[in-house]
Amino acid sequence: RKEVEQDPGPFNVPEGATVAFNCTYSNSASQSFFWYRQDCRKEPKLLMSVYSSGNEDGRFTAQLNRASQYISLLIRDSKLSDSATYLCVVNMFRGSTLGRLYFGRGTQLTVWP
Amino acid sequence: GAGVSQSPSNKVTEKGKDVELRCDPISGHTALYWYRQSLGQGLEFLIYFQGNSAPDKSGLPSDRFSAERTGGSVSTLTIQRTQQEDSAVYLCASSSYEVGYNEQFFGPGTRLTVL
Repeated sequence: RKEVEQDPGPFNVPEGATVAFNCTYSNSASQSFFWYRQDCRKEPKLLMSVYSSGNEDGRFTAQLNRASQYISLLIRDSKLSDSATYLCVVNMFRGSTLGRLYFGRGTQLTVWP
Repeated sequence: GAGVSQSPSNKVTEKGKDVELRCDPISGHTALYWYRQSLGQGLEFLIYFQGNSAPDKSGLPSDRFSAERTGGSVSTLTIQRTQQEDSAVYLCASSSYEVGYNEQFFGPGTRLTVL
């Protein structure tokens, strides 16, 4: 079983739509959680960290459910520029990306006009 | 400031040849990571360097793979006797205590093709 599992999609949504991605992780000792974004043939970049209480950054909302070992990302009012692959990332260390990261395979999103 | 750089950007080699991939991390970043990404796959951890500590080599897939980091800065990933299954994008990332290691900054990657 992989450490981090994601629905690969693809998700195809119109501009303005709300879309949600889910992710599960297998190691209950995992401490830090992130969403990275990867554009086609580009390197991954940090989108946002995921905090226990849930957190929001503009149109993006991340949630963590430790009991279910489940992470989610909600994108509201989708823009064409949101088209990318979204990577769910887990770390054993609290509050940092120090040490190895475990990446999901990513969920592909295409936003159409 | 300058980000993480990697060279070459593309490398085509014949099966059985050795290759060296280079990573220049962001200046001052003490942590350096190597990952690889095969087509349609997620990122696979290879090796991690932190300061002067012994590297975490637990992700290296075989003894054909090795990496070193000289002077706490530049790193080289070496693949000996390359096989076709080694074809992938090799990504390097660095991070820093100063930003609380809260983000790994990735380079553009080296696309390796083994014929």
